[in-house]
Amino acid sequence: EPEVTQTPSHQVTQMGQEVILRCVPISNHLYFYWYRQILGQKVEFLVSFYNNEISEKSEIFDDQFSVERPDGSNFTLKIRSTKLEDSAMYFCASRPTGSAYEQYFGPGTRLTVT
Amino acid sequence: DAKTTQPPSMDCAEGRAANLPCNHSTISGNEYVYWYRQIHSQGPQYIIHGLKNNETNEMASLIITEDRKSSTLILPHATLRDTAVYYCIVQHNAGNNRKLIWGLGTSLAVNP
Repeated sequence: EPEVTQTPSHQVTQMGQEVILRCVPISNHLYFYWYRQILGQKVEFLVSFYNNEISEKSEIFDDQFSVERPDGSNFTLKIRSTKLEDSAMYFCASRPTGSAYEQYFGPGTRLTVT
Repeated sequence: DAKTTQPPSMDCAEGRAANLPCNHSTISGNEYVYWYRQIHSQGPQYIIHGLKNNETNEMASLIITEDRKSSTLILPHATLRDTAVYYCIVQHNAGNNRKLIWGLGTSLAVNP
């Protein structure tokens, strides 16, 4: 069964460094999302992406964040200058077009900023 | 903020049905009820969704009250692997976005 994959599974970085989190959505899906979950807290929406542009972004998704679909398969989240409070699990999700409703999530990347 | 209310935790004996309630009293006519779950440290997993009618799939059943102000997710024969946090999410299906707004969910413990 097709699945969303994410790399790396765990990323440790120093404050101020740039990180790129990578996702490979399911191949025929057209809608892409990033969510994050700080330890012990709710899952939070960050950004949605369709047709090579951002559809919606949350207040969390400030100028330090960007997303890109550099080729036909990858979907990336970049944090330009990481802060301690960016430490969280980051989940990528994708959804088919049309009347399909459910989002399919990857296993997540645990980002630790020290 | 999430538009749903769920009990923070529930217990269920292995092999028995787990009935997880959700209140969504402000749901509007074009909003669907979705259920996802998150097994510890894993990505969320879609379970089922519905609009008005009861729904069943290989994982669960969804019972929605006639006034649509509440629903119940039923896991008919819970196993230890069903121990997870279960999220009830209300979402309309218009537009391209369809972001999910998450609450705290119900932490279900299935006990042997």
